[in-house]
Amino acid sequence: DQQVKQNSPSLSVQEGRISILNCDYTNSMFDYFLWYKKYPAEGPTFLISISSIKDKNEDGRFTVFLNKSAKHLSLHIVPSQPGDSAVYFCAARRGTYKYIFGTGTRLKVLA
Amino acid sequence: DTEVTQTPKHLVMGMTNKKSLKCEQHMGHRAMYWYKQKAKKPPELMFVYSYEKLSINESVPSRFSPECPNSSLLNLHLHALQPEDSALYLCASSHNPAGGPRNEQYFGPGTRLTVT
Repeated sequence: DQQVKQNSPSLSVQEGRISILNCDYTNSMFDYFLWYKKYPAEGPTFLISISSIKDKNEDGRFTVFLNKSAKHLSLHIVPSQPGDSAVYFCAARRGTYKYIFGTGTRLKVLA
Repeated sequence: DTEVTQTPKHLVMGMTNKKSLKCEQHMGHRAMYWYKQKAKKPPELMFVYSYEKLSINESVPSRFSPECPNSSLLNLHLHALQPEDSALYLCASSHNPAGGPRNEQYFGPGTRLTVT
């Protein structure tokens, strides 16, 4: 039972354009959502988060949007850079410590 | 220092061996986590320690035994593992055990475990 899903396993975007990564969840008890980036041979690195009481959070080139009624969140990266090429995981928190990760989307930014 | 370190980076062990994975952080974080990640799958939570006490055990088999000797260290003791336990084992820590806003986790690079 995959409670957090990233339906696109991969995405290719031209440098300078917008990257949009999507994530869907099923459990309405999640209260906090996060995006992580993972390079090969490294652990995931935190990017940006959003509380369930908000619908948008922005940090530099990264913006996360939350649509609670649709149980959907997205990460926008603009402008995309070749260094952004990595696997991106969304994660959702239930309770104090339980973080459930999505399956990941591999982003490739083409120079 | 925002680093979580894990040793060893790679480990190959037989099914009758006993080994330990180690994790260390010096960020003053009071919550520490073990995750297991299989290829092309998301990280799966195994254990959570809060203030050096075990808070969550996600029904992990007893051949995995966690230990938190102090607020900076987290160990995972391995005994009588099966080949299907081969995976990347990730350690993480977070600042706010109460689970408030900005309770993001900092991950180590992981230990790649192979059970033969």
